[in-house]
Amino acid sequence: DTAVSQTPKYLVTQMGNDKSIKCEQNLGHDTMYWYKQDSKKFLKIMFSYNNKELIINETVPNRFSPKSPDKAHLNLHINSLELGDSAVYFCASSQREGSRGGYTFGSGTRLTVV
Amino acid sequence: KQEVTQIPAALSVPEGENLVLNCSFTDSAIYNLQWFRQDPGKGLTSLLLIQSSQREQTSGRLNASLDKSSGRSTLYIAASQPGDSATYLCAVGTGANNLFFGTGTRLTVIP
Repeated sequence: DTAVSQTPKYLVTQMGNDKSIKCEQNLGHDTMYWYKQDSKKFLKIMFSYNNKELIINETVPNRFSPKSPDKAHLNLHINSLELGDSAVYFCASSQREGSRGGYTFGSGTRLTVV
Repeated sequence: KQEVTQIPAALSVPEGENLVLNCSFTDSAIYNLQWFRQDPGKGLTSLLLIQSSQREQTSGRLNASLDKSSGRSTLYIAASQPGDSATYLCAVGTGANNLFFGTGTRLTVIP
């Protein structure tokens, strides 16, 4: 009964490929997020999304795009992968806007671009 | 812009010691503050969530305090155990559905 689940856990791919990471939450939360953890272990938000609004961190390249087929899913699509995209990507969700209810994180997807 | 700093970056203690991890943030206009634990190669586990109107939260051997006016939070771990070894992350929740993370404190508890 995993609360926030991501697949795959590991992803190794070549430069230039397009890939997707899936995320699902069964908590009934109304907002979902994608975070990137770089090689120095620093976590930074990429996107936040609810059924009303997508907020994009201005530093995220437009090769990255979130797709939400429904309230419980927020998938991350990455086009034309680059070496610098290698990182661990975390999906998260929260119960209410403004994060008053706290965040629940998935276990992460380690992306390696070769 | 919110900036979150954690000190120390790494800490090594013998088993049984009580210890304190520190977190400071630059903008006191926060909704809440959350402490997470991250084990190597694993995801983030939420430990404690303190709302902006609260001063502390406790869970088992863990106690987190919040002083919003001074921009500080501490995580107190009592009677540390080897299983407590992990990286501890402080994160500040603000409006616009954002969570600002510190760089973490890597804790090693020596048996």
